[in-house]
Amino acid sequence: GAGVSQTPSNKVTEKGKYVELRCDPISGHTALYWYRQSLGQGPEFLIYFQGTGAADDSGLPNDRFFAVRPEGSVSTLKIQRTERGDSAVYLCASSLTPSRNTGELFFGEGSRLTVL
Amino acid sequence: AQSVSQHNHHVILSEAASLELGCNYSYGGTVNLFWYVQYPGQHLQLLLKYFSGDPLVKGIKGFEAEFIKSKFSFNLRKPSVQWSDTAEYFCAVYSSASKIIFGSGTRLSIRP
Repeated sequence: GAGVSQTPSNKVTEKGKYVELRCDPISGHTALYWYRQSLGQGPEFLIYFQGTGAADDSGLPNDRFFAVRPEGSVSTLKIQRTERGDSAVYLCASSLTPSRNTGELFFGEGSRLTVL
Repeated sequence: AQSVSQHNHHVILSEAASLELGCNYSYGGTVNLFWYVQYPGQHLQLLLKYFSGDPLVKGIKGFEAEFIKSKFSFNLRKPSVQWSDTAEYFCAVYSSASKIIFGSGTRLSIRP
């Protein structure tokens, strides 16, 4: 597709369940980012991939959160034992090169996660 | 650690009014600065960016921002807003390891 695609767009789950959120970046973009946005807040950095490897995962809040990008394109954010505080919009962004060079991240529409 | 502050949480203006949204960052070294915009129901998109050179940068839709190093500021301006400028605006700063840090955002409402 032309843009960054995220699925599902909405996910409602129960506390304690496991959740996977998928991001399909723009074709050819080597850099991929995950952010989390809570109501009334700006995007909060979670993790950055350059190719297949996580170049910076310092934003992952705890070990319940994990992300992979096995073939250097699609990425999956995985959340174990979900808690109500995990409710947020999870944003994925990609860029052609590391963002420092171009400054432009291309964002998807986000996956809204609600934990009951 | 780098941080970004946006002190205006919600700004309400009438059409044709002038706009200035504040952004301050904390970092003593070289910075790359950005403004992103999120229109209702749409995804975040880049409005403008500063890397180096002329501290007054121009973006899309008549927006501009001025980098004032001595004040650690990167305020967004537009001389005459339109109803279609209603959106949420985020200031962002490049941090280490290709990580961009965002401010908490300013919601702009324009009265037609």
